[in-house]
Formats: sequence, C-alpha cells, structure tokens
Amino acid sequence: DTAVSQTPKYLVTQMGNDKSIKCEQNLGHDTMYWYKQDSKKFLKIMFSYNNKELIINETVPNRFSPKSPDKAHLNLHINSLELGDSAVYFCASSQAQGGWYTGELFFGEGSRLTVL
Amino acid sequence: AQTVTQSQPEMSVQEAETVTLSCTYDTSESNYYLFWYKQPPSRQMILVIRQEAYKQQNATENRFSVNFQKAAKSFSLKISDSQLGDTAMYFCAFTPGANSKLTFGKGITLSVRP
Repeated sequence: DTAVSQTPKYLVTQMGNDKSIKCEQNLGHDTMYWYKQDSKKFLKIMFSYNNKELIINETVPNRFSPKSPDKAHLNLHINSLELGDSAVYFCASSQAQGGWYTGELFFGEGSRLTVL
Repeated sequence: AQTVTQSQPEMSVQEAETVTLSCTYDTSESNYYLFWYKQPPSRQMILVIRQEAYKQQNATENRFSVNFQKAAKSFSLKISDSQLGDTAMYFCAFTPGANSKLTFGKGITLSVRP
C-alpha cells in the first residue's frame, strides 16, 4: 500500500493550459503539503494544510490553487501554465503532536510537470 | 527567517569508506528539529535521520550518524561503510516545530564509487 500517492506522475502540457495534480495519503495524518522542486533540485514549500485548513501559503502565484476536500486529500490546480512552472511537485504528509510539528514528512513519488 | 546551508554541491566516496556531509543552519529558536533526507535517482524523498535540538545525544541510525553542534549551528551527516545504494542527493532540513514549515538546504549529490 502506497502511503502518499500522487497522480499523475508525469504531465506534459502546453503553455496557457490548466492542469491538476491529485494527492492522497492513507497514513491518517492531519497535515499535508505541496513542495516544488525546480530544475536545480531546490525544494521549496508551497502550501500546508492542517485538517483541511490552509496554514502555510508561501507567496505562490494565484494561478496555483490547492484544495483539500478532506484531511486525506490535497489537490493542486494550476491555471494558465507558464514555462517556469515546469518542475517536480511533491505532496507530503505528517502528523502534528499536540500542535507541535516534529517535521517528519512522508513524501509521494512526485509529479513531473513539463510545460512546452 | 530560518536558513539551511549546504555549501558542498557534490562529493564522491569509495565503497566501504566513510563520508561526512556538512550542513549549517540559522535560527533564533531554542527548540527545533533537524533532518537529513535522501533522494535517490528514483526521485522518492526518504527520511534518513532526525535530531531534536533539545537532545544533546547525537542521533544514530545503523550506518548513519550525525554530529550536532548546537552552539555552532552545525548538523553534519556521517555515512559509514558506504554502499552503492547510498548514491543520491542528500538534503539537510530544519523545522521550528511551532509551525509545519520544513526548510531544505540546496542538497548535495553523493556518488559512491565501486
């Protein structure tokens, strides 16, 4: 059983299109994340949700809209795709303990987005 | 703001030898957590080892151990008896605990030579 699963794993699309990446975790965690890994392998947090509520939004363009229908799912929708959006997007989850985040994240396999 | 610095972009080590990967960080927090994550060519991010700042004892996981120097804000990873499967990018990461933000360093590419 995959703990954190993302779909699709690869996505090739044209500039200007809209696309979504889905993420599901079966670990029972209460916190989920989206991270972006650019072409230089730098990992940066984009969003964090705790129990379906947005708690971190790291100055990401409005074209990126996360949605968490329940605490096991966190989807990422991207409008009007640009060349610079090409990257690997990682979903992750963790469990806060008494409101304290110990930081041990469980990652999905990543979704490689290529914008042409 | 917290920062994590990995100044070595890449390293190479002979199989069965020991290698140390460096990491420094900057924070005003007194309690926090530090991590080393591994990303092999398969792209999956895997937790290697975790250190809680309030614990003086250095964390150890089998062949992996850390040298945590809180005053110097240094957190290096030692890999003993290197194996070919250790070839990967290694990321140092920090979280203050009070929020869910995990900040990563730029990573270091480690190659283990047969």
